Amino acid sequence: EAQVTQNPRYLITVTGKKLTVTCSQNMNHEYMSWYRQDPGLGLRQIYYSMNVEVTDKGDVPEGYKVSRKEKRNFPLILESPSPNQTSLYFCASRYGQGNTEAFFGQGTRLTVV
Amino acid sequence: GENVEQHPSTLSVQEGDSAVIKCTYSDSASNYFPWYKQELGKGPQLIIDIRSNVGEKKDQRIAVTLNKTAKHFSLHITETQPEDSAVYFCAASRAAGNKLTFGGGTRVLVKP
Repeated sequence: EAQVTQNPRYLITVTGKKLTVTCSQNMNHEYMSWYRQDPGLGLRQIYYSMNVEVTDKGDVPEGYKVSRKEKRNFPLILESPSPNQTSLYFCASRYGQGNTEAFFGQGTRLTVV
Repeated sequence: GENVEQHPSTLSVQEGDSAVIKCTYSDSASNYFPWYKQELGKGPQLIIDIRSNVGEKKDQRIAVTLNKTAKHFSLHITETQPEDSAVYFCAASRAAGNKLTFGGGTRVLVKP
């Protein structure tokens, strides 16, 4: 089954404690992105990757890091989480550029206290 | 950069009635406009999309219209059913771009 898998689904952590949210897709897609969803603000892109070892900033990259060492995986790293990073996070993958369907993971609800 | 505005933020309709969600965009170079539906506890899923060379597209009970001159596009759901209750997002993108810019979302509630 074609899917994007994120882990964990829920995470509560404390300020400053490094964490990683994993994302994996089995569709051999080149493009992968991370979004955060906040009420009234829709989905805002954090980082994206066009292929292995190629990543770039989205609209809200501050406080986040990503890596793309393999085509299927695109982890999101918060080196020192802060309460304003409490949000619902989604990983997405696409086959090609802007006019192709994005497939989203189930989401990760992160709370930073 | 692109800016997409979506209205209304919430929409309550009676089962069987129609629902309309409207979006405006700012980048005249955008030429791909998808709509995503997000059910509770799930990630968004594409339900319909339209490209700039088409003014209207229909798929069963849902339709999307695009007015490139005015830079706005709309989602129409006819004969609404309880399973249409969800959050809907519009988005805009350039065909050769790397970014999909989303609107703020519309929470639709269909009352039986």
